[in-house]
Amino acid sequence: DGGITQSPKYLFRKEGQNVTLSCEQNLNHDAMYWYRQDPGQGLRLIYYSQIVNDFQKGDIAEGYSVSREKKESFPLTVTSAQKNPTAFYLCASSPSPQANQPQHFGDGTRLSIL
Amino acid sequence: AQSVTQLDSQVPVFEEAPVELRCNYSSSVSVYLFWYVQYPNQGLQLLLKYLSGSTLVESINGFEAEFNKSQTSFHLRKPSVHISDTAEYFCAVKNGSSNTGKLIFGQGTTLQVKP
Repeated sequence: DGGITQSPKYLFRKEGQNVTLSCEQNLNHDAMYWYRQDPGQGLRLIYYSQIVNDFQKGDIAEGYSVSREKKESFPLTVTSAQKNPTAFYLCASSPSPQANQPQHFGDGTRLSIL
Repeated sequence: AQSVTQLDSQVPVFEEAPVELRCNYSSSVSVYLFWYVQYPNQGLQLLLKYLSGSTLVESINGFEAEFNKSQTSFHLRKPSVHISDTAEYFCAVKNGSSNTGKLIFGQGTTLQVKP
């Protein structure tokens, strides 16, 4: 079945450590997105990529980095510069960046601080 | 900038009762509207969408939403809820002129269906 796979499901970070969240899709979608979800705040866009080898900052990009070397993969690195990383992280994709295309979501990664 | 407001953070309701989850967005020339549902510790699933045409859109599990341009609203309704409808619901909007595909989400509404 086609879909979006996020791993790991749970992740713990030590102080000063960088961690990388994986997002893989086999839907042949061009556009991919990373969101952060905090209780009572909905979803906020961290980074997005409209095509391979290209990505743009979203609304809360500070302390995060991404790469898009392959169409199917869009990993997110939470760096030590992100001082409040505890959250639920969701990856999404859509066939194209066009506005009328809905986004499909993975099952998320929950990141906590040790 | 575009924004979305979900007017209720929590909606408790008894099983088989009707429910309405309210969503308002800031005005725009053209918008695309979506409702997503999230079950605990899972990602978001698309429930229904309004792209164009009929202002009333329906999902396969009995939910419906009506696009009201004059009131800039996209409220979600179900005439009779089930225990299994307990989840968090997110309203989201895209500007029709956007070429980034950026979704703007509301804060979410937790639907609690009681037996």
